[in-house]
Amino acid sequence: KNEVEQSPQNLTAQEGEFITINCSYSVGISALHWLQQHPGGGIVSLFMLSSGKKKHGRLIATINIQEKHSSLHITASHPRDSAVYICAVSGSGGSNYKLTFGKGTLLTVNP
Amino acid sequence: NAGVTQTPKFQVLKTGQSMTLQCAQDMNHNSMYWYRQDPGMGLRLIYYSASEGTTDKGEVPNGYNVSRLNKREFSLRLESAAPSQTSVYFCASRFRGARAFFGQGTRLTVV
Repeated sequence: KNEVEQSPQNLTAQEGEFITINCSYSVGISALHWLQQHPGGGIVSLFMLSSGKKKHGRLIATINIQEKHSSLHITASHPRDSAVYICAVSGSGGSNYKLTFGKGTLLTVNP
Repeated sequence: NAGVTQTPKFQVLKTGQSMTLQCAQDMNHNSMYWYRQDPGMGLRLIYYSASEGTTDKGEVPNGYNVSRLNKREFSLRLESAAPSQTSVYFCASRFRGARAFFGQGTRLTVV
């Protein structure tokens, strides 16, 4: 079973700061997902990546397959970025229908 | 676009009562999932349906049953609710190997 670890568990930042959230996993995967969940809200997929780097607005996700590690970066953070960020991995081969989730990182951005 | 629609959004049950959580998606996805989210534990898979006509147990299936009624709909039934089933439930759908789309969640309290 894949173990997905996120760090930090909690993160507080000032508006405008550059933020990094890390995710590591234990077993080879077919893809890694970054998800966002606002307090009391639903879950939204931000990125799915299997190699390299993806960018969407102020959000950047990177993955290093050899090191089994991914990072989510937020540039010029804003209070509206305050949310729980969740890393999830899709198994490889016949297990790629299943997602294994990290416990999430609670981000608070203060104005 | 409706995406993934879950009902109800909130529910309070007494111990021993039964209920069905409904989920429908309009994206023609093959795979559908039911997860529960508990504080400090991340999302855990209850049941999934890799395609219409098939269902399989996930990590925490005890006390639950599911029905994949057709390609669009995947319901979760609690036959005899217990306080340990107090949680937030999420339905999700995806094409195998692609991004997942989540419903808005059902906040269930069993008293």
